[in-house]
Amino acid sequence: AQSVAQPEDQVNVAEGNPLTVKCTYSVSGNPYLFWYVQYPNRGLQFLLKYITGDNLVKGSYGFEAEFNKSQTSFHLKKPSALVSDSALYFCAVRRLTSGTYKYIFGTGTRLKVLA
Amino acid sequence: EAGVVQSPRYKIIEKKQPVAFWCNPISGHNTLYWYLQNLGQGPELLIRYENEEAVDDSQLPKDRFSAERLKGVDSTLKIQPAELGDSAVYLCASSLENVAGEAEQFFGPGTRLTVL
Repeated sequence: AQSVAQPEDQVNVAEGNPLTVKCTYSVSGNPYLFWYVQYPNRGLQFLLKYITGDNLVKGSYGFEAEFNKSQTSFHLKKPSALVSDSALYFCAVRRLTSGTYKYIFGTGTRLKVLA
Repeated sequence: EAGVVQSPRYKIIEKKQPVAFWCNPISGHNTLYWYLQNLGQGPELLIRYENEEAVDDSQLPKDRFSAERLKGVDSTLKIQPAELGDSAVYLCASSLENVAGEAEQFFGPGTRLTVL
């Protein structure tokens, strides 16, 4: 069963404009949600996470994400995009299974910020 | 602080040959992950260690893949024999995890394997 979905393969945005990268999840119980960014030929870097508490989470490089339980979403946002934000973004969810947990990653969204 | 170290960065082998990847996690991190990442896809877990114990290897193709984390520090992932479909990037990650699975993971740069 799919646990996390990133509906957009690619998002294009002009530099200076706000950006949104979408993520929806499907897990039972309280979800733990994460965003990671991957630059070319590099491993993933952690941006932010939601465990509990305030629905608006602030992370690295000016990114933030809003946990919306009713819409089962955790969209990544930034008020003003930079060309250097161009990268591959992955949403991940912790799923409980067989008495332990597993992280499920989305298929990724490529963000292109145009100068 | 040094990050997660992986070697080699690139490996090209012929099918049916063995190959091994090495990972040194961030010092003090109790949990180590091996992931497989195909082009244009998200990472897929192969195996997760808590200290030296493999607590989730359900996705590891055990007929050809093996892994070890002796002394609960660095780890080796082996494929023997390699198949064409094994061509991918193999990522290692580590975290200082609790029982709830709340911690973020720190990823190494990966090993890009090409099987000819």
